[in-house]
Amino acid sequence: DIVMTQTPLSLSVTPGQPASISCKSSQSLLHTDGKTYLSWYLQKPGQSPQVLIYEVSNRFSGVPDRFSGSGSGTDFTLKISRVEAEDVGVYYCMQTLQLPDSFGQGTKLEIK
Amino acid sequence: QVQLVESGGGVVQPGGSLRLSCAASGFTFSSYGMLWVRQASGKGLEWVAHVRSDGSSKYYADSVKGRFTISRDNSKNTLYLQMDSLRPEDTAVYYCAKGRWLADYWGQGTLVTVSS
Repeated sequence: DIVMTQTPLSLSVTPGQPASISCKSSQSLLHTDGKTYLSWYLQKPGQSPQVLIYEVSNRFSGVPDRFSGSGSGTDFTLKISRVEAEDVGVYYCMQTLQLPDSFGQGTKLEIK
Repeated sequence: QVQLVESGGGVVQPGGSLRLSCAASGFTFSSYGMLWVRQASGKGLEWVAHVRSDGSSKYYADSVKGRFTISRDNSKNTLYLQMDSLRPEDTAVYYCAKGRWLADYWGQGTLVTVSS
């Protein structure tokens, strides 16, 4: 099974400042079809998870462009260029290359 | 618009059974794989099971294998999770989600509590 490891597990950010979350997988997430099946989700307080980024760097419909994803192979990063109050919640990376799918532990973002 | 609505959660004693349902609308249900994900209170997301679009293949987390059964009825646009031999550690909010390579839409979740 693929193990996903996120860091940090929590971060506190001043509004308007950037934030970055790392996600590492125990094996490459590159599929033979050329796509890399790593996605990012945000779970706001009291809500279901919502997708932000898919296939490493593609923003899902309606996601603000302050969110960006990068990486390849086993190392991935989610960046928020300027954190806003509405960005609070827990961020998860998820691999869907190989069943069972797996999630990182989650990174809790709070606003200073 | 895509909608996923879970139901069937509740309180059950250890060793008991429960069947969750997920009613789907706003997309061609029979064209997409579907999955269940759970989340214990204050904990992270745990993938539970996946079923292919036509129901021909099913996959389970080791923690539920042999106790849970995922299924779907494409004529009713509904996904199911039959949960047997429930344990206290199965207590969680259960979410259904759409997709195989990307879980792009999620339901609001249904709470399952296993307690005597």
